Amino acid sequence: DGGITQSPKYLFRKEGQNVTLSCEQNLNHDAMYWYRQDPGQGLRLIYYSQIVNDFQKGDIAEGYSVSREKKESFPLTVTSAQKNPTAFYLCASSFGVLPTDTQYFGPGTRLTVL
Amino acid sequence: AQKVTQAQTEISVVEKEDVTLDCVYETRDTTYYLFWYKQPPSGELVFLIRRNSFDEQNEISGRYSWNFQKSTSSFNFTITASQVVDSAVYFCALSEHGSGNTGKLIFGQGTTLQVKP
Repeated sequence: DGGITQSPKYLFRKEGQNVTLSCEQNLNHDAMYWYRQDPGQGLRLIYYSQIVNDFQKGDIAEGYSVSREKKESFPLTVTSAQKNPTAFYLCASSFGVLPTDTQYFGPGTRLTVL
Repeated sequence: AQKVTQAQTEISVVEKEDVTLDCVYETRDTTYYLFWYKQPPSGELVFLIRRNSFDEQNEISGRYSWNFQKSTSSFNFTITASQVVDSAVYFCALSEHGSGNTGKLIFGQGTTLQVKP
């Protein structure tokens, strides 16, 4: 089955620690994205990648980092510099980055900072 | 500036009722695309529909229908004969041709729909 997987589903972190969220897709999509969702709010774009070894900042990139070494994988690291990291994180992918390219989403990772 | 507004934060209906979720957007672009996504309690966003700005025909898919009106900048979503399985958060989103090759989606705040048996 083609799709997007994210792991772990739940993640707990102590303050001051970096954590990495995994996102893998087998849809053969070139573009991948990371969004953050806070309660009662829409999704906000953190980073996106059009192609392997290339990525761009979104609207709220501060305190986050990404890599894109493989087409299938786009991990997100939440660093200790992120002031309020508790949120629901969603990964998405699409064929390309044109406005017409529909984004498909993974099941999400819920991060809680203790 | 581009913006998507879903004024209804929460809606509660009884099963078999019809319900309409409102979406109003702002954009200066003449070419743009509108989307609806469903987020069930499991968390994953499920794509429902994409509509481009040049196609104002209403769309129907089973119990779902969408009404796109450029004159009022609205893209409303109606569920006919609602079912408990329709309970979810629904998001409306906008992408603009003028945003360049970023794939950026602008999301509304979402509407939580609760369908009671």
